[in-house]
Amino acid sequence: GIQVEQSPPDLILQEGANSTLRCNFSDSVNNLQWFHQNPWGQLINLFYIPSGTKQNGRLSATTVATERYSLLYISSSQTTDSGVYFCAGVGSNFGNEKLTFGTGTRLTIIP
Amino acid sequence: GAGVSQSPRYKVAKRGQDVALRCDPISGHVSLFWYQQALGQGPEFLTYFQNEAQLDKSGLPSDRFFAERPEGSVSTLKIQRTQQEDSAVYLCASSLVPAARTQYFGPGTRLLVL
Repeated sequence: GIQVEQSPPDLILQEGANSTLRCNFSDSVNNLQWFHQNPWGQLINLFYIPSGTKQNGRLSATTVATERYSLLYISSSQTTDSGVYFCAGVGSNFGNEKLTFGTGTRLTIIP
Repeated sequence: GAGVSQSPRYKVAKRGQDVALRCDPISGHVSLFWYQQALGQGPEFLTYFQNEAQLDKSGLPSDRFFAERPEGSVSTLKIQRTQQEDSAVYLCASSLVPAARTQYFGPGTRLLVL
């Protein structure tokens, strides 16, 4: 199966700072998604982004499918952005439906 | 509309007990997934249903784990003779159709085996 690496594993920032989170895949994937897991454990969908760039408020994401990586940008961080960010994708082999997750980036925003 | 719901939210079991975890997917969603998330790790796939058919159970860690979705809606994950290593958060997700763009996750059931 595919391997998903995320970096950095931990990130501590002052409120208002910007950050970039990276996700590398060992092979081509379908249905690449970014999630935010809040302190209560709920996984929240941020982006479905198999390729290209999308923006939603202070968050944006870019996927370069040919180079098998994706980036999540958070601008003007707020304390509510704290939590763990996961990227995940579905391997491209036929009939595969399951998401393979990375190990996550734990983001802590300090007031 | 309502999202994916799971119950119970927390479960404490003594080693050797059987447990049953319930998932109510979003109404009308064909695909249903179970994932296991150990502390400090990303979720890992357990099993997948398309309607009532269990199409992939390659992630179930042992034959003590059993999942069903008899009417193609609610699903139950059962763990028999629980062990301490079963302690984890069990997440359920659903998607509208197979190969849908997005899986929507429930809040999870946090299982602690003592």
